[in-house]
Amino acid sequence: QKEVEQDPGPLSVPEGAIVSLNCTYSNSAFQYFMWYRQYSRKGPELLMYTYSSGNKEDGRFTAQVDKSSKYISLFIRDSQPSDSATYLCAMSYRDDKIIFGKGTRLHILP
Amino acid sequence: EAQVTQNPRYLITVTGKKLTVTCSQNMNHEYMSWYRQDPGLGLRQIYYSMNVEVTDKGDVPEGYKVSRKEKRNFPLILESPSPNQTSLYFCASSLSGAVDTQYFGPGTRLTVL
Repeated sequence: QKEVEQDPGPLSVPEGAIVSLNCTYSNSAFQYFMWYRQYSRKGPELLMYTYSSGNKEDGRFTAQVDKSSKYISLFIRDSQPSDSATYLCAMSYRDDKIIFGKGTRLHILP
Repeated sequence: EAQVTQNPRYLITVTGKKLTVTCSQNMNHEYMSWYRQDPGLGLRQIYYSMNVEVTDKGDVPEGYKVSRKEKRNFPLILESPSPNQTSLYFCASSLSGAVDTQYFGPGTRLTVL
């Protein structure tokens, strides 16, 4: 079993829909959970960061961590065509190494 | 402008010819890291550095070397490149660690023939 699993997609949704992106993981020691967004031909950029369990909201984005299920989610409300990108989850149990998921390609259809 | 720069952006080389990909940041960041990104395999950490003269292996260090002699620079060295090192490489830096906001460079696309 891989440490971090993420469905590569692609995921296509109409503009304005709520998008749900997910990752599962196997290492219960993970404490830090992140979501990065990567536009085509660009480097990733940090979108959301959560420590341990719980929810975090930032504008149209909500990150959820369920450590009991080893499951994290990113929700995008009122999705826009500009949200079309690859979304990578990332996790760490210490502050030096980091494990990324394979990324989910998201297409928001106008 | 705060940024991470990488050079070259594109490189085609042949098996066994040593090469260096440079990475430089102007944000006075302590932490720097190298990643490779491959279709179907995602983004994987090669090496990282918590501070000057402190480097350590990530998940896929085989065939790579790094050095951190100055805070701003973190070059990636391929002593004897092989075709399986054909990939898109990203350098990143952050204020203090992997879980801090990492700022990524624009990427270096390497092809080894």
